[in-house]
Amino acid sequence: NAGVTQTPKFQVLKTGQSMTLQCAQDMNHNSMYWYRQDPGMGLRLIYYSASEGTTDKGEVPNGYNVSRLNKREFSLRLESAAPSQTSVYFCASEGWMDDKFYEQYFGPGTRLTVT
Amino acid sequence: AQRVTQPEKLLSVFKGAPVELKCNYSYSGSPELFWYVQYSRQRLQLLLRHISRESIKGFTADLNKGETSFHLKKPFAQEEDSAMYYCALHTGGFKTIFGAGTRLFVKA
Repeated sequence: NAGVTQTPKFQVLKTGQSMTLQCAQDMNHNSMYWYRQDPGMGLRLIYYSASEGTTDKGEVPNGYNVSRLNKREFSLRLESAAPSQTSVYFCASEGWMDDKFYEQYFGPGTRLTVT
Repeated sequence: AQRVTQPEKLLSVFKGAPVELKCNYSYSGSPELFWYVQYSRQRLQLLLRHISRESIKGFTADLNKGETSFHLKKPFAQEEDSAMYYCALHTGGFKTIFGAGTRLFVKA
């Protein structure tokens, strides 16, 4: 199993450009998440999808949109990139372990720079 | 307000010394707390969860509801413990709140 995969790994955008970050998981998890990681601020939730067909805002949704394409895929779109969106973006999925505990599984991250 | 506080951005200890990474939380409900770790060039992964009361890689963490804390401890730090550690609070409703993280550096 590949777990959670993200593309691209690195991206440089100019202010105003758009792009979509792709995420896929092969663990048959219902819930998927997008976080951004900034120095001194930890991980902040951008959007999440509790199940296929649903999406909800997290702590910092402004400037982003998401699509839960199917159970496997959850994409994050920046319509008009701004320098404040320079960050490392992590996708995660959440599943149950042995029907007792849930755990989030993270992708390798996408390092985005907006100039 | 729901919040996770990790007061130390950087913690530096010598190999073999005890280490304690602090985590305090604010939550009105029954908390479910986790520690996640990110080693250099690796993805973020779960280290341990309070509900299972387990010891992973020599680390333990006890939930203290009176002090609203979930500190991570290890009696003898190893160089391979050097990493970024995040305390996380699962609030239900599919949301997990992460602290700002503490970078642990274990010196030889």
